[in-house]
Amino acid sequence: TQLLEQSPQFLSIQEGENLTVYCNSSSVFSSLQWYRQEPGEGPVLLVTVVTGGEVKKLKRLTFQFGDARKDSSLHITAAQPGDTGLYLCAGVPPLNYQLIWGAGTKLIIKP
Amino acid sequence: NAGVTQTPKFQVLKTGQSMTLQCAQDMNHEYMSWYRQDPGMGLRLIHYSVGAGITDQGEVPNGYNVSRSTTEDFPLRLLSAAPSQTSVYFCASSTWTGPSDTQYFGPGTRLTVL
Repeated sequence: TQLLEQSPQFLSIQEGENLTVYCNSSSVFSSLQWYRQEPGEGPVLLVTVVTGGEVKKLKRLTFQFGDARKDSSLHITAAQPGDTGLYLCAGVPPLNYQLIWGAGTKLIIKP
Repeated sequence: NAGVTQTPKFQVLKTGQSMTLQCAQDMNHEYMSWYRQDPGMGLRLIHYSVGAGITDQGEVPNGYNVSRSTTEDFPLRLLSAAPSQTSVYFCASSTWTGPSDTQYFGPGTRLTVL
């Protein structure tokens, strides 16, 4: 069974600080997706990374896919209260498009 | 363009009752799925469908039934509700083309079973 371990589970920091969320597995994925979920709503896709070593930037958010395509990270620079939410990573296994989900990181940015 | 819609938003059931959670999408997506989300456990796949008339089980299918008679609709039926089915349920849809497909989620149904 493929697993995606996401860490930390919970993070509460002050506005302006930087943070990194990790998503790790012992299995290779065809791609890895990051979603953000706000209370009372469904997850919304932020980014998909496909190539080993790929780095994508979305304003203050930087996403990286590991060289071996087994892990990924999300780095937020100068966090803002609007970044508060649940961040979920999801991996797409080779030959199977069923997503494998991490447990999520609940992020709170205090003003 | 409504995307993925789910009804009801909230539901309270008694143990043993049955109900159907509705899901519809207007994006002509082949793939539709149902997840449950519990604290600290991420999203767990219940059932999925790759097209009308085709359904299959996910990770946690017991106690749930699905059918897919049209491309647009994918209802989830709870046969005899149990307290362990208290959860938030999400329906999602996507194309079925490759590893970069985006999952579009509905707003969720919060179900409590007493």
